[in-house]
Amino acid sequence: AQKITQTQPGMFVQEKEAVTLDCTYDTSDQSYGLFWYKQPSSGEMIFLIYQGSYDEQNATEGRYSLNFQKARKSANLVISASQLGDSAMYFCAMREGYRSGGSNYKLTFGKGTLLTVNP
Amino acid sequence: DTGVSQNPRHKITKRGQNVTFRCDPISEHNRLYWYRQTLGQGPEFLTYFQNEAQLEKSRLLSDRFSAERPKGSFSTLEIQRTEQGDSAMYLCASSLDDSKNIQYFGAGTRLSVL
Repeated sequence: AQKITQTQPGMFVQEKEAVTLDCTYDTSDQSYGLFWYKQPSSGEMIFLIYQGSYDEQNATEGRYSLNFQKARKSANLVISASQLGDSAMYFCAMREGYRSGGSNYKLTFGKGTLLTVNP
Repeated sequence: DTGVSQNPRHKITKRGQNVTFRCDPISEHNRLYWYRQTLGQGPEFLTYFQNEAQLEKSRLLSDRFSAERPKGSFSTLEIQRTEQGDSAMYLCASSLDDSKNIQYFGAGTRLSVL
């Protein structure tokens, strides 16, 4: 089974509008971390936002927010007021604990969503 | 404030040659990771160092791959007798040893094996 599922291969959004990128995860651990990264065409993976499994509040970082629904095992990224520079691949990733055979440090990534922001 | 640095950015080599990549992590980070990313996929974990100790190696890391972090600072990843299937982006990341373990990545080394 996929640990991280990103069901949207590609998304389009109009500049200045908000967009939601979907991510569902699979783990039996109680303690885990969820991450979103942005990868422009240059290749660098840029850290955007982190959500711990025990965090009660949804994480926010500037225009990025993470809609964390623990019971549904989803961690969707919301980008508000999209900008042309937001066009990139977006990856959801998870760090599991030991119960699921994880290591508590390595990340497992989804296949990504290619976001295109139209002017 | 310098981020993770990787060299070279691009490497083209012929099949059968050896290649070595270098990663300089963020200076106060004692954890260092290597990942491999092929076209259309997310990065896949290869190996992990805590200071100079290599604590885990993925099954993806065949005997032709070796990674070192001799003084707990920079790291090298060597691929011997390269094969066309080794063509990929090799990403290095580093993190603090804390509960969040947020990994910061370098720009990667893109390897093309002809």
